[in-house]
Amino acid sequence: TQLLEQSPQFLSIQEGENLTVYCNSSSVFSSLQWYRQEPGEGPVLLVTVVTGGEVKKLKRLTFQFGDARKDSSLHITAAQPGDTGLYLCAGYRYTDKLIFGTGTRLQVFP
Amino acid sequence: GAVVSQHPSRVICKSGTSVKIECRSLDFQATTMFWYRQFPKKSLMLMATSNEGSKATYEQGVEKDKFLINHASLTLSTLTVTSAHPEDSSFYICSALRLALSYEQYFGPGTRLTVT
Repeated sequence: TQLLEQSPQFLSIQEGENLTVYCNSSSVFSSLQWYRQEPGEGPVLLVTVVTGGEVKKLKRLTFQFGDARKDSSLHITAAQPGDTGLYLCAGYRYTDKLIFGTGTRLQVFP
Repeated sequence: GAVVSQHPSRVICKSGTSVKIECRSLDFQATTMFWYRQFPKKSLMLMATSNEGSKATYEQGVEKDKFLINHASLTLSTLTVTSAHPEDSSFYICSALRLALSYEQYFGPGTRLTVT
């Protein structure tokens, strides 16, 4: 079983719509990160959240770390075609090994 | 930002041959690097942790004799896929750990291996 489950797995929306991606676990993480990956490339770090309840904003992207540090969400406002990609959450459980979530593939149509 | 490179970006080899993939941290020293494997439309799966000057630590189910890892310097780790088979075809990604206030891993652009 995967330690970090993301939902939904796939998301296909029109430009301008809002969306939320969830990253859930039954385990506590010392920190959690969100990445975006485009085909044929490595993942690019978007944000790191460390404190339970923390909210971070990156332009149209809002990231939240759950109070218990077991889950996180990524909300995109007014999605654009350039947001298309594979979104991955990943977390540290008090070691230097990064555990990746199952991934959410987002497609935004113009 | 920190830069990690991988070489080659794409490689095609024949079954039974070996292929080496290099991972370099270009502007920082990395005592720890990681190797991941990614299947099409799937997430990243950690294969092994590469520590400079010591043996790599492999995740459960990863054959250490098949995937040889060498981390001879603070900026270079190599992954050698030995006696490659078509099922080894995959996207291999490395990352380098930069210890600052918190753990920060920087990812390479990946290497697409195709075994024919």
